[in-house]
Amino acid sequence: GAVVSQHPSRVICKSGTSVKIECRSLDFQATTMFWYRQFPKQSLMLMATSNEGSKATYEQGVEKDKFLINHASLTLSTLTVTSAHPEDSSFYICSARNRGSYEQYFGPGTRLTVT
Amino acid sequence: GEDVEQSLFLSVREGDSSVINCTYTDSSSTYLYWYKQEPGAGLQLLTYIFSNMDMKQDQRLTVLLNKKDKHLSLRIADTQTGDSAIYFCAEINSNYQLIWGAGTKLIIKP
Repeated sequence: GAVVSQHPSRVICKSGTSVKIECRSLDFQATTMFWYRQFPKQSLMLMATSNEGSKATYEQGVEKDKFLINHASLTLSTLTVTSAHPEDSSFYICSARNRGSYEQYFGPGTRLTVT
Repeated sequence: GEDVEQSLFLSVREGDSSVINCTYTDSSSTYLYWYKQEPGAGLQLLTYIFSNMDMKQDQRLTVLLNKKDKHLSLRIADTQTGDSAIYFCAEINSNYQLIWGAGTKLIIKP
């Protein structure tokens, strides 16, 4: 149990376009989902926390108009990188937890390359 | 503030035990975690320990927690080549957000 999937696993897009990344909890209800960004050989940087049915809470320095997060259901959260630029190229990882649980499960990540 | 520190590299011989250490600052953390990340992959929850425990064992993995010193360790017995990965220590804050260490790269020598 406790599987989190992400789609797509890899995406290459042109500068100026928008990309949507999906994060799904497959066998549990994810009341909270987290979006992270990971640079090569670095730790994870928390971008935002989203609770189902609420607006996401963004970490300092993360542009909410650029990284749109929607957590419309208990099993799905989406991250849309709008007007992507090469500096947005990164590994994006989501995680999910159920209410009352201290266990947080991670998706396999999405490698975004903006050309 | 909240901070988690761990050394960046650990090199061990195949078959030996690996001990990865971590220190944290938030004494109110209720849970502390170890995650494993293989190259190009997401994070796998290895194990976690509740703050009122001193030790947790799960097959080849042993977690030791010294709450007084805010020190957490992960011991991997009989280290195998498949254990090569980056191991992240994390603590949880009151918003259920994980505070991450920088990760320790475990290198296995034949």
